Amino acid sequence: EVQLVESGGGLVQPGGSLKLSCAASGFTFSGSAMHWVRQASGKGLEWVGRIRSKANSYATAYAASVKGRFTISRDDSKNTAYLQMNSLKTEDTAVYYCTRHRPQYDFYTWGQGTLVTVSS
Amino acid sequence: QSALTQPASVSGSPGQSITISCTGTSSDVGSYNLVSWYQQHPGKAPKLMIYEGSKRPSGVSNRFSGSKSGNTASLTISGLQAEDEADYYCCSYAGSYVFGTGTKVTVL
Repeated sequence: EVQLVESGGGLVQPGGSLKLSCAASGFTFSGSAMHWVRQASGKGLEWVGRIRSKANSYATAYAASVKGRFTISRDDSKNTAYLQMNSLKTEDTAVYYCTRHRPQYDFYTWGQGTLVTVSS
Repeated sequence: QSALTQPASVSGSPGQSITISCTGTSSDVGSYNLVSWYQQHPGKAPKLMIYEGSKRPSGVSNRFSGSKSGNTASLTISGLQAEDEADYYCCSYAGSYVFGTGTKVTVL
């Protein structure tokens, strides 16, 4: 069964840091690009960023709203993707989903999401 | 990159057909036939319903169909059923990705 499981969410103060993990199973993780998408409570989906596979040089890209503060990485030996979030702002409060990108330019597999709350 | 524009809400009676629009620009929806649509029930992760503008993944009902004209993509749900009540989001490739503002579908 194809599965993505996020972890690492929680409460953090403004200006703080948090690292999310996304554990994958059931597919060839090393060959897949992985993306992060977030959703603030009652709001829409927002693309956060992505990391490509080793074959594509582990290239990363980020939304303007998080560029310079967030970093996506991966450990193919552990079938896990990460989202390192620094200099967090209250507006980063959201459920964060990891998702597997398909060659058809879509997101077929999603995790259950992990809640990040940035508040003092 | 600005979010794609969707109507906030659309409603219909069981058995009816509804259409959700998704308006972008010549830099996203208009440039690529790479619009996908996602269904999201409350508290759940999104589910892919349409990819590459009009294709359905295995297991998705043929009551769901997608199309595109110019800078606007559309999702049509025919034979509306109670379980179709959910939020729907379009998404377009544009170098990176941009999602729509979301549409709440209500089955009357």
